[in-house]
Amino acid sequence: DTGVSQDPRHKITKRGQNVTFRCDPISEHNRLYWYRQTLGQGPEFLTYFQNEAQLEKSRLLSDRFSAERPKGSFSTLEIQRTEQGDSAMYLCASSSRGKNTEAFFGQGTRLTVV
Amino acid sequence: AQKVTQAQTEISVVEKEDVTLDCVYETRDTTYYLFWYKQPPSGELVFLIRRNSFDEQNEISGRYSWNFQKSTSSFNFTITASQVVDSAVYFCALSEAGRRALTFGSGTRLQVQP
Repeated sequence: DTGVSQDPRHKITKRGQNVTFRCDPISEHNRLYWYRQTLGQGPEFLTYFQNEAQLEKSRLLSDRFSAERPKGSFSTLEIQRTEQGDSAMYLCASSSRGKNTEAFFGQGTRLTVV
Repeated sequence: AQKVTQAQTEISVVEKEDVTLDCVYETRDTTYYLFWYKQPPSGELVFLIRRNSFDEQNEISGRYSWNFQKSTSSFNFTITASQVVDSAVYFCALSEAGRRALTFGSGTRLQVQP
């Protein structure tokens, strides 16, 4: 499988718990993105990595959110002390070198906070 | 600030009809990139097209065509002879040169009835 892979596909958690999602990008892609999508809306940008460096973070990314890409390959997104408002689809995407090359998306992790 | 508007929330057509999805964008940059993505019921965003701001040539790919007009800040998408498999949510997106983040519109849900 050469596409972007995300795990888990679904996560149900109780409010206040921590959750972590994983994303494996397309192997030759050096750029990796996280987006969040709520029902009926387009994806909203959260953060962007080039190799292992986190180069951009949205204001949506509160201090309860942290993302890492330690070796420039897979990435994790952790949400601490989850709130009901965190319920959404979390999408990972990757892209190759070049100017604003197209991003390829994974199937997402659907988070439900109860 | 950049913004993408997809005024059509939902469109319903009968198979074999042509349909145009509208996209209007706002940006202060002179160099930017426009994209269309398809999100079928399975949820994964599928890349359709990327266009840079200096290339106003219209593009055709099979039944799909795109009309980019800088004068009206629009990047419209037409499906000719629609098919049931075209049923999905379609997103228009924008990224400015120097930034990697995509700004998405709110999407247009297309339903193609048999």
